[in-house]
Amino acid sequence: DAGVIQSPRHEVTEMGQEVTLRCKPISGHDYLFWYRQTMMRGLELLIYFNNNVPIDDSGMPEDRFSAKMPNASFSTLKIQPSEPRDSAVYFCASSFTGGPVSAPGELFFGEGSRLTVL
Amino acid sequence: SQQGEEDPQALSIQEGENATMNCSYKTSINNLQWYRQNSGRGLVHLILIRSNEREKHSGRLRVTLDTSKKSSSLLITASRAADTASYFCAKYGRLYNQGGKLIFGQGTELSVKP
Repeated sequence: DAGVIQSPRHEVTEMGQEVTLRCKPISGHDYLFWYRQTMMRGLELLIYFNNNVPIDDSGMPEDRFSAKMPNASFSTLKIQPSEPRDSAVYFCASSFTGGPVSAPGELFFGEGSRLTVL
Repeated sequence: SQQGEEDPQALSIQEGENATMNCSYKTSINNLQWYRQNSGRGLVHLILIRSNEREKHSGRLRVTLDTSKKSSSLLITASRAADTASYFCAKYGRLYNQGGKLIFGQGTELSVKP
């Protein structure tokens, strides 16, 4: 398997522009997570899905952020409008449990999308 | 804050020495995981220890878990320059409403000098 695939790897945009980050999880995985990593705040969980359904989006910083998972093989994280403080590395990760909602195991991470908002 | 407490924040050792990193948490856990991140890369899972386990080994890695003290340690024995990376613990909440929430600590930046 190719692993978790994220695109783009790097994105430089100007304040106010819309940014869409994409993720293809590992086939068969039933959990998908979006994390944001910055020097100041470390790794923050933004939102996660179980079987394509958003379970917890309490980490999404503002209404400017939205995430969707239209099917088991694709998810997007959108920022509209973007601001300089959104500059960070955004990671997508997937996991397989096949069991109760409360028991994900090992997470497989993509290589991340480095976003710079000028 | 979503982060737990890890210490030290940074650790610099010579090749061949052992490296110990600690992780503490506040609420009950289902399992605790350790991950490694090389500079500019995604995180890679190292080891998972469940709440009913006290110690686990994987190659040169040894993880311990003390649920009474709400702490875990990662020991890397006979370190190599290639072990230079950031190491994170991630706690999986046991509360019913925690669901699949895996929360990462701030990490320990390990530097192994040849």
